[in-house]
Amino acid sequence: DQQVKQNSPSLSVQEGRISILNCDYTNSMFDYFLWYKKYPAEGPTFLISISSIKDKNEDGRFTVFLNKSAKHLSLHIVPSQPGDSAVYFCAAIRDQGAQKLVFGQGTRLTINP
Amino acid sequence: DVKVTQSSRYLVKRTGEKVFLECVQDMDHENMFWYRQDPGLGLRLIYFSYDVKMKEKGDIPEGYSVSREKKERFSLILESASTNQTSMYLCASSSGTTGYYGYTFGSGTRLTVV
Repeated sequence: DQQVKQNSPSLSVQEGRISILNCDYTNSMFDYFLWYKKYPAEGPTFLISISSIKDKNEDGRFTVFLNKSAKHLSLHIVPSQPGDSAVYFCAAIRDQGAQKLVFGQGTRLTINP
Repeated sequence: DVKVTQSSRYLVKRTGEKVFLECVQDMDHENMFWYRQDPGLGLRLIYFSYDVKMKEKGDIPEGYSVSREKKERFSLILESASTNQTSMYLCASSSGTTGYYGYTFGSGTRLTVV
């Protein structure tokens, strides 16, 4: 049962344009949603998160939007830069009990010069 | 600089060997996790531990075991390695109060079973 889904395995965007990565989830009990970025041969690093009581969180070029009724979140990167080329994982967590992150399949973002 | 350190970046083992993957964190975190990353499947949780000598199965524990004798160290054991355990293995840790900020991951161990 895939509770967190990223349906686009890859995305290619022109440098300077907006990158939009999408994520869907099925468990309405999740309290927080997070995005991680992963370069090859490195571990994932935390990028940005959002509480389930909010619909938007912004940090510099990165904005995450949450639509609870649709069980959908998205990560917007504006403007996209070559260094943003990486695999992006969407993840979700409940704040009670053992705090286990549930990850999506990942989306490989390529920024073209 | 806080860290999660995995002992090996690359490992090649033979089918049937017993394999130990070691992970050490220096953040005094209560929770530690082992994931494997495979293309198209994302990160899947193998085992986790929320205290010394405590362990719980994740989503794909079959063929694996773990050991946590000290708070800072969490070991993943492949009792008898098989080719379908060829993967990238990622260790992570978190504080009980930082779920909002997620985990700190190690750099990963790429294991190849031949």
